[in-house]
Parts: sequence; C-alpha cells; structure tokens
Amino acid sequence: NAGVTQTPKFRILKIGQSMTLQCTQDMNHNYMYWYRQDPGMGLKLIYYSVGAGITDKGEVPNGYNVSRSTTEDFPLRLELAAPSQTSVYFCASHLAGGAYEQYFGPGTRLTVT
Amino acid sequence: DAKTTQPPSMDCAEGRAANLPCNHSTISGNEYVYWYRQIHSQGPQYIIHGLKNNETNEMASLIITEDRKSSTLILPHATLRDTAVYYCIVRSENTGNQFYFGTGTSLTVIP
Repeated sequence: NAGVTQTPKFRILKIGQSMTLQCTQDMNHNYMYWYRQDPGMGLKLIYYSVGAGITDKGEVPNGYNVSRSTTEDFPLRLELAAPSQTSVYFCASHLAGGAYEQYFGPGTRLTVT
Repeated sequence: DAKTTQPPSMDCAEGRAANLPCNHSTISGNEYVYWYRQIHSQGPQYIIHGLKNNETNEMASLIITEDRKSSTLILPHATLRDTAVYYCIVRSENTGNQFYFGTGTSLTVIP
C-alpha cells in the first residue's frame, strides 16, 4: 500500500492563478479530509468527504472547492489564488467507524506571490 | 465543540517518561480524546485515543481523569525521535466527526 499520496510536493503560484492539489489513497477509506497548516499553527479543516459523491465544508472552506467522484481521489481546487492561501496542505483518510485513525499524506507546500 | 488546552512546549530527558497534559473541560459524554503527533513538517501521525478508560498501546499510554475534563499522554521512555509537536484533539459525532487541531505541545527530548 502506498497509503495517502499527494502531488505536487511544492508549488509556487502567482496571485489569481488556479491549481488543483491531488490526493489519492489506496486503502479503500470512506472518509477523506483536506487540512491547511499555516506556520507555527495547528491544522485547520478545509473540506471533508464521507464517501464518493458527498462533500462538506470544514472550518475554512472559502477560496477552495472539492469533488469526490471516486473512493480513491479527493482533489482540492484553488480558483483564484491569494497570498493568504500560502500554506502547507495535508490530505488525510480513514475508514468509517472503528478508531477513526486518520492517515495523512506528506503534504503540499504552496506559496502564492 | 469541546476545545483543548495544552502547554506550548515541554522538555524531557532521553530515557525518561514524557507526560503531556491536556485540558478539555467542556468535553461531553460521547466525545473521544485523540492524540496525534507531527514530526518536523511531516503529516501528523495517530498515537492513541480513548473515551473514558485509560488506554495503552505500543507507542504510549493515555490517562483520562474520572470527570473526563483532562487527560495525559505518557511516552514511557522518550527517545530523540519522539521530539515532535503533540496534538490533543476531541472528536465529536455532533460535528460530522471532524477533528479540531489546536496548536499542540512542542516536545523536545534532550540527550
């Protein structure tokens, strides 16, 4: 199992550009999450999904969109990048029920200038 | 939602037990306490969780007070590799099982 994979690892965007952060898991997990982590801070939930076709907002959804067309993939879309979106983005997943033990990807470091 | 309060930083001597406290005084009966850690800038790693009983696994022990208002994560024999930020989190089914990460405790294990 590769676990949770994220691409790209690093990206620099100009203000107003768009991009998609990719997240894939091969553990057949129902739940998937996107978090952002600003320097020196904890993680904040952007969006989450409890299964294919179902998504919901977290604490900080503004400026982002998600989709969940398959169990494996949960891409995060930034439409009009702003400097406030400079952050490290983590994707996570876990099975429904049980321990709710989240498995995290390695993160994508995004800089918007 | 129950919030958690943790000291911002702690030191621990290598080989000694590291005891990391967490206050969650507004926790309700069906909310679980979780601990994760984040080493450098890696993705967080699950350590342990519990509801009201003390729990132990190969990584750590979790002690939850009887009134559930606080808990302590114990790393029995800290090593240099345990240097990390430790997050205490309360999971509530009332908020779609979302995890709310605070700023955590930065643990430094000293040789």
